[in-house]
Amino acid sequence: LAKTTQPISMDSYEGQEVNITCSHNNIATNDYITWYQQFPSQGPRFIIQGYKTKVTNEVASLFIPADRKSSTLSLPRVSLSDTAVYYCLVGTGFQKLVFGTGTRLLVSP
Amino acid sequence: DAGVIQSPRHEVTEMGQEVTLRCKPISGHDYLFWYRQTMMRGLELLIYFNNNVPIDDSGMPEDRFSAKMPNASFSTLKIQPSEPRDSAVYFCASSLNEENYGYTFGSGTRLTVV
Repeated sequence: LAKTTQPISMDSYEGQEVNITCSHNNIATNDYITWYQQFPSQGPRFIIQGYKTKVTNEVASLFIPADRKSSTLSLPRVSLSDTAVYYCLVGTGFQKLVFGTGTRLLVSP
Repeated sequence: DAGVIQSPRHEVTEMGQEVTLRCKPISGHDYLFWYRQTMMRGLELLIYFNNNVPIDDSGMPEDRFSAKMPNASFSTLKIQPSEPRDSAVYFCASSLNEENYGYTFGSGTRLTVV
């Protein structure tokens, strides 16, 4: 399974755009890139998934360059409720997902 | 859809006692996963099932841990005997049999062994 590297923590303010970058140099051809969000005392929640280029949903955007060795999760105009841990994972749905340490995002007023 | 349902939500038990955690996956999901989360080790995959069959249990820490999935709508994770170091939040997740489908996690069971 491809190993991922992402920042341990990030700080932001309400209303700002937050970009969290994840490195996955050993991503395989069939691997998808998936991001999960985890609030305290809750299980991780699927937020977005992509294979290449750009994916956007009601929650976030995911940018993936052509070489797919990294990806960037973009959260537009964050609010206090976006304070959470964000995990980047690569693999296919048939594989077990191995979670890294994630990025702890703190949004302040 | 009620999502992945785990019970109990909290469990406090004494060292040496047997503990059973329960999970009901989303109907129609082919995969079921058990994870454990602690501050020190983060989220660890313990075991996962495909169509009720255990596929990979390499993450199960010791023989004290066992997991079963007697049917498509129910799974258990048992710890016998429990130890204080087993204290953690245990999550169950399920997924469809599709290569690009994400997991849906339950709310977890917070286990405290005293």
